[in-house]
Amino acid sequence: GAGVSQSPSNKVTEKGKDVELRCDPISGHTALYWYRQSLGQGLEFLIYFQGNSAPDKSGLPSDRFSAERTGGSVSTLTIQRTQQEDSAVYLCASSLERSPYYGYTFGSGTRLTVV
Amino acid sequence: RKEVEQDPGPFNVPEGATVAFNCTYSNSASQSFFWYRQDCRKEPKLLMSVYSSGNEDGRFTAQLNRASQYISLLIRDSKLSDSATYLCVVISNTGGFKTIFGAGTRLFVKA
Repeated sequence: GAGVSQSPSNKVTEKGKDVELRCDPISGHTALYWYRQSLGQGLEFLIYFQGNSAPDKSGLPSDRFSAERTGGSVSTLTIQRTQQEDSAVYLCASSLERSPYYGYTFGSGTRLTVV
Repeated sequence: RKEVEQDPGPFNVPEGATVAFNCTYSNSASQSFFWYRQDCRKEPKLLMSVYSSGNEDGRFTAQLNRASQYISLLIRDSKLSDSATYLCVVISNTGGFKTIFGAGTRLFVKA
């Protein structure tokens, strides 16, 4: 596609439920990243994919968080047993490859609210 | 100490003013630098890369000072539409590339 697409754009869920967030990166971009941003805060790195593998998942805050990427394209971030502190905007970005020379293109994010 | 630090602001300036933001980084092995812009409740968008020799894009000038480990962004003749949060991004390669986003500097340009 022309840009990075994320769905849903907004998600309200009850505490304890599982949620799945989807990211469709720019076609041909091998590197894919998940970040989250709490209100008024900076970006917090979650996980990086190169192709279908995740060489860096150091930012996942707990084992309730997992992510996968299939076909070198679409990625899904899953949060199990959601907690109120999980409320944030989850941003996906992609780049041509993981290199110091390429900037990221971000999707418009999924705003997650846990009530 | 944070790896990338920015003055959170906000900077409140009138239209037409010149405003400058600095961003300091702690890892001397950092090798690439970018400025992103984030509008309220929107995703960050790449504004410009920062090159060692400095670079300019219209009213925007980015500079890198490796000796003092900071980068800067200068906005001349600021417009109302420049109001946003400006994020500094630093990429280092120590055992793998690592990208660090600063927390951002908020700019408000007033009429």
